[in-house]
Amino acid sequence: SQTIHQWPATLVQPVGSPLSLECTVEGTSNPNLYWYRQAAGRGLQLLFYSVGIGQISSEVPQNLSASRPQDRQFILSSKKLLLSDSGFYLCAWSVSRTYGYTFGSGTRLTVV
Amino acid sequence: RKEVEQDPGPFNVPEGATVAFNCTYSNSASQSFFWYRQDCRKEPKLLMSVYSSGNEDGRFTAQLNRASQYISLLIRDSKLSDSATYLCVVKGYSTLTFGKGTMLLVSP
Repeated sequence: SQTIHQWPATLVQPVGSPLSLECTVEGTSNPNLYWYRQAAGRGLQLLFYSVGIGQISSEVPQNLSASRPQDRQFILSSKKLLLSDSGFYLCAWSVSRTYGYTFGSGTRLTVV
Repeated sequence: RKEVEQDPGPFNVPEGATVAFNCTYSNSASQSFFWYRQDCRKEPKLLMSVYSSGNEDGRFTAQLNRASQYISLLIRDSKLSDSATYLCVVKGYSTLTFGKGTMLLVSP
């Protein structure tokens, strides 16, 4: 069966520090991968999605970047965190654009 | 108009009650529709897809009205464990757009 792993679960980082969140999927090949952010009291905002290795689409201009170095690995990064980057970061995968997504357990990031 | 709009609630209902949530979406070209459930501080989980003819999964019934761009979720015989936030989700060409969710609180 397919599983999605995301870590760490919780992260507290100072303003200006770098960020690297990793997401991996097991049990499937060539998944569509997504990064979402959920800020406190707000809805899920799509940040990036990828349909294949090295293929990244950015949905909103921001302080973040994403990479997909391997088929089942998706990384979210920042060179310098801002206070506004705080939130609940969720990685998700889908078998195709038609189906619903399965989410990882998320990383709760607090920038201080 | 927001892409996906939901009443944030909370809806407070007693156990055993029937409750309905509504959702409207702005993109008439949307192709797929879902309801997700999100427990406090957890990831969203797929509850059910929504089909044009309407579909049922146990105590849950989903309806879609393409002409009015309206989606609904009906929960019958509410359980304490149904307490959560219910997210209306709409898919355009490539990605899913999530509503902010409707909070449901079921009390004994």
